[in-house]
Amino acid sequence: QVQLQESGPGLVKPSETLSLTCTVSGGSISSYYWSWIRQPPGKGLEWIGFINYSGITNYNPSLKSRLTISVDTSKNQFSLKLTSVTAADTAVYYCGRGWGSFDPVEVWGQGTLVTVSS
Amino acid sequence: DIVMTQSPDSLAVSLGERATINCKSSQNVFYSSNNKNYLAWYQQKPGQPPKLLIYWASARESGVPDRFTGSGSGTDFTLTISSLQAEDVAVYYCQQYSNSPHTFGQGTKLEIK
Repeated sequence: QVQLQESGPGLVKPSETLSLTCTVSGGSISSYYWSWIRQPPGKGLEWIGFINYSGITNYNPSLKSRLTISVDTSKNQFSLKLTSVTAADTAVYYCGRGWGSFDPVEVWGQGTLVTVSS
Repeated sequence: DIVMTQSPDSLAVSLGERATINCKSSQNVFYSSNNKNYLAWYQQKPGQPPKLLIYWASARESGVPDRFTGSGSGTDFTLTISSLQAEDVAVYYCQQYSNSPHTFGQGTKLEIK
């Protein structure tokens, strides 16, 4: 059974870059679509974007200018980089798997809290 | 962006009673080319990631109890829990995945009365 695990710094300074990695275990990353979703503390879910195994991406326009999602099939990982962060980027970040570009997220990681603060 | 609006924001239902959550999209998420509504429902319990319950508006994910039913088409959708169990206490979200960005509703908090 596939499992996803987010990893990365829990604290990032304002104006710096938030970097997270999602490691896929129990299955190959070389199929499906791999997503990032975030949830500010006490608030709802925000779709960030996705990538597939060949590198095709789709980003939320509200984040597109600061966002890069990449995939490393040799490590069975995909990553998120968000530049110029502010306190508004403080959230639990989830990685997830969907069947295709227009499909829901069927498998979710446990999430990791990233706090933006000096 | 397609705006997803859920109602109510919170709901208290007695054990064994029916719970109904509504979701309205600002645009049609039904595609006649494949006869599908691009609408999902998730359940999120405290401290846990969301869990996919329903996709294509009415298809139940494997392992989801049959007391959970999704219905609706076009712009208006409903998640019904036929007989509320204690373990159903959670926040429920709808999501459209027909257009990018794949937007979520604001969530509905379901509690026991």
